[in-house]
Amino acid sequence: DVKVTQSSRYLVKRTGEKVFLECVQDMDHENMFWYRQDPGLGLRLIYFSYDVKMKEKGDIPEGYSVSREKKERFSLILESASTNQTSMYLCASSPGMGSARKYFGPGTRLTVL
Amino acid sequence: RKEVEQDPGPFNVPEGATVAFNCTYSNSASQSFFWYRQDCRKEPKLLMSVYSSGNEDGRFTAQLNRASQYISLLIRDSKLSDSATYLCVVNPMDTGRRALTFGSGTRLQVQP
Repeated sequence: DVKVTQSSRYLVKRTGEKVFLECVQDMDHENMFWYRQDPGLGLRLIYFSYDVKMKEKGDIPEGYSVSREKKERFSLILESASTNQTSMYLCASSPGMGSARKYFGPGTRLTVL
Repeated sequence: RKEVEQDPGPFNVPEGATVAFNCTYSNSASQSFFWYRQDCRKEPKLLMSVYSSGNEDGRFTAQLNRASQYISLLIRDSKLSDSATYLCVVNPMDTGRRALTFGSGTRLQVQP
């Protein structure tokens, strides 16, 4: 069974702090994704990666960056957290091109005070 | 206009009822379609793909209407365990590389 894990379920940070959210998948998937989920807005794509060291911006990349140094790990970085980044962050992975099925991690609920 | 639109609900139905959700999408070039299910405080999980000819999986039936750009999910004989949020999902390009576009979900509450 595919497993996608995220480093924290709940996180509280202060405005201006640098925040790292980590995601690890154990199925050798090529593609990895970061979404945020907010009430009424659904899941919105922040960044995705289709290979090690490769990244592409999603729909709402502002205020975020990502890192993919190893195939199994995809990190989301908030350089200077702001209150409007309070959200549920979901990591997902999928096999190579042609597979649109996503496997999600359990999510990290981030609160920025 | 949102790329994928759903009625947020909630749909409150008694056990055993039949319930249907619709979802509309704006990109006529969209290639593939899915329904995901998300339980409260859990991650989304794939429920079923949606094929042009319509498809069925047990009590669940999904249909696609390309001309009108909507997809539907029908649940027959609702169970308490069907209570969840159902996300309509569209793949704008059939490559698998580009991420899916998610609707904001329709909440279903099945009552005893």
